[in-house]
Amino acid sequence: SYVLTQPPSVSVAPGKTARITCGGNNIGSKSVHWYQQKPGQAPVLVIYYDSDRPSGIPERFSGSNSGNTATLTISRVEAGDEADYYCQVWDSSIVVFGGGTKLTVL
Amino acid sequence: QLQLQESGPGLVKPSETLSLTCTVSGGSISSSSYYWGWIRQPPGKGLEWIGSIYYSGSTYYNPSLKSRVTISVDTSKNQFSLKLSSVTAADTAVYYCARLNLLRIQLWFDYWGQGTLVTVSS
Repeated sequence: SYVLTQPPSVSVAPGKTARITCGGNNIGSKSVHWYQQKPGQAPVLVIYYDSDRPSGIPERFSGSNSGNTATLTISRVEAGDEADYYCQVWDSSIVVFGGGTKLTVL
Repeated sequence: QLQLQESGPGLVKPSETLSLTCTVSGGSISSSSYYWGWIRQPPGKGLEWIGSIYYSGSTYYNPSLKSRVTISVDTSKNQFSLKLSSVTAADTAVYYCARLNLLRIQLWFDYWGQGTLVTVSS
């Protein structure tokens, strides 16, 4: 089955740019979706179709996908962005989630 | 505004069947543009997809759980349900129901319920 690999943690200072990667075999040929989950809350969709933002999600959130790596980029990071982030694909009629990345704002 | 609400027992005994229902409000479960799904998250761990269903009853299941999972839909009540049989402590988790947006043969979760903790213990 298809595997998505995320770094367990990423740290960034406020105001800087955070990049969270999601690795998979030829993931650039698939569509990747990203979720933000804060403690005690349900996940929230922040990026779909590699780089589209749902309404209400700040422009600071962007996504890209090429080759074997998809990337969620958060610009001008704020304390409120501290959360777990998960990537997801739909592959061979199966939903696959990455293991998640904890974003820490220093 | 679409809302999803999980309901069901918060405590299930080992070897028994876990049963949860998701009630959808603010929209029709019979829309052709969406699937409906279940996801779980063990305490302190990541998300695990359980399975998804279309309003017609067509289903997709996680292969690792397929032998124990049944997802069904009741369009008259705007609800869909999860049954997970022969549970063990490893099935203890927060269970979420969610809507999957279907576009160009892609699926992603755009609305989630708040989640419900199910503990498996005698």
